[in-house]
Amino acid sequence: KQEVTQIPAALSVPEGENLVLNCSFTDSAIYNLQWFRQDPGKGLTSLLLIQSSQREQTSGRLNASLDKSSGRSTLYIAASQPGDSATYLCAVNSNSGYALNFGKGTSLLVTP
Amino acid sequence: GAGVSQSPSNKVTEKGKDVELRCDPISGHTALYWYRQRLGQGLEFLIYFQGNSAPDKSGLPSDRFSAERTGESVSTLTIQRTQQEDSAVYLCASSPQNSGNTIYFGEGSWLTVV
Repeated sequence: KQEVTQIPAALSVPEGENLVLNCSFTDSAIYNLQWFRQDPGKGLTSLLLIQSSQREQTSGRLNASLDKSSGRSTLYIAASQPGDSATYLCAVNSNSGYALNFGKGTSLLVTP
Repeated sequence: GAGVSQSPSNKVTEKGKDVELRCDPISGHTALYWYRQRLGQGLEFLIYFQGNSAPDKSGLPSDRFSAERTGESVSTLTIQRTQQEDSAVYLCASSPQNSGNTIYFGEGSWLTVV
């Protein structure tokens, strides 16, 4: 069974810092990996989708990398802003099934 | 609207009652997912529908849980004889196909069983 782990569970940084969120998964046979953002009381918003054949994806200040062989992905946020405060979730779409397997998330707080 | 729509947004029910949650996927999306998120926990997969294929029910936690979807339209998740541990937000998502595409989530139905 695919297990997805996110480190750290919580992170607080001052505005302007660059930061890295980590995601690891146990089964490297994946279709793709997605990073989502969840604001309190809200649903999930997809940030980046990386196919298994890709190494990274970029959107604005966000960059996600994927190392399938080692079962790792990172989400890099440049020049963080208070509006980036949210929970960031990593989810893996495995070859063995249809459902996305989610990590428990990293709760990010960016202070002004 | 263009997004995934869920109703009700909030539901408080008494223990032992049945509840029905509704999800309207994005038009044209063949894949539909239900997830559950308990307070402070990660997302748990419940059930997956893809077009007219048999659904993947492997995540349903007990026989009190069931879900239906007709074709590529609305889905309902039914919880019978609700228990306090059923309290959670129930999230629905849809995507154009089962893999390789971004999935889009609704804002969830917040269920509280008292």
